[in-house]
Amino acid sequence: QSVLTQPPSVSGAPGQRVTISCTGSSSNIGAGYDVHWYQQLPGTVPKLLIYGNSNRPSGVPDRFSGSKSGTSASLAITGLQAEDEADYYCQSYDSSLSGSGVFGSGTMVTVL
Amino acid sequence: QITLKESGPTLVKPTQTLTLTCTFSGFSLSTSGVGVGWIRQPPGKALEWLALIYWDDDKRYSPSLKSRLTITKDTSKNQVVLTMSNMDPVDTATYYCIHRGDNTGKVDHWGQGTLVTVSS
Repeated sequence: QSVLTQPPSVSGAPGQRVTISCTGSSSNIGAGYDVHWYQQLPGTVPKLLIYGNSNRPSGVPDRFSGSKSGTSASLAITGLQAEDEADYYCQSYDSSLSGSGVFGSGTMVTVL
Repeated sequence: QITLKESGPTLVKPTQTLTLTCTFSGFSLSTSGVGVGWIRQPPGKALEWLALIYWDDDKRYSPSLKSRLTITKDTSKNQVVLTMSNMDPVDTATYYCIHRGDNTGKVDHWGQGTLVTVSS
């Protein structure tokens, strides 16, 4: 059972906007820890997609954006493309778990 | 260029101890803020954080697995070693070595991963 809760799946047609929520608590996201997002294409290693709540590493399209508020965070994908079909994970740290890293349960994005 | 590579057995028996080595290049684990750790992913399941060791030898473990995990570093060899005791079939997973580069806490580099199967 993951410390951070994500919807199991979201879907959208090409060109649409989809959002993925990441719900935590006062000991992780709500405690001020940054949220990071990773994209895992089928059969590949996860890749950093968003860091520090809303920052994109070099090379990540600006179709991807992140935000954080209170004990939750979200990832938005605008202009959905077929190549965005993947699993997405949020990640943070948790003070009640001795500062260990924690992951969300993962969300599968399907492009219809 | 930062690279990390996992090595270790691909098959272990139940109750045995797993030892995985991460050999890295392109950075120093003596640099302030840097950490190297381990994350695993059972087949078809979510990512799970296991352990992280920082440049100053601070170690952080997943509480649910802490009693079974030990993480150590050898800065001179650019290696980090994870041991996990009392292996069980539910521990079958791909184990990733990861690099945490700064105080934002993001994982900015991943090894290719190594699949470890626990079976008699």
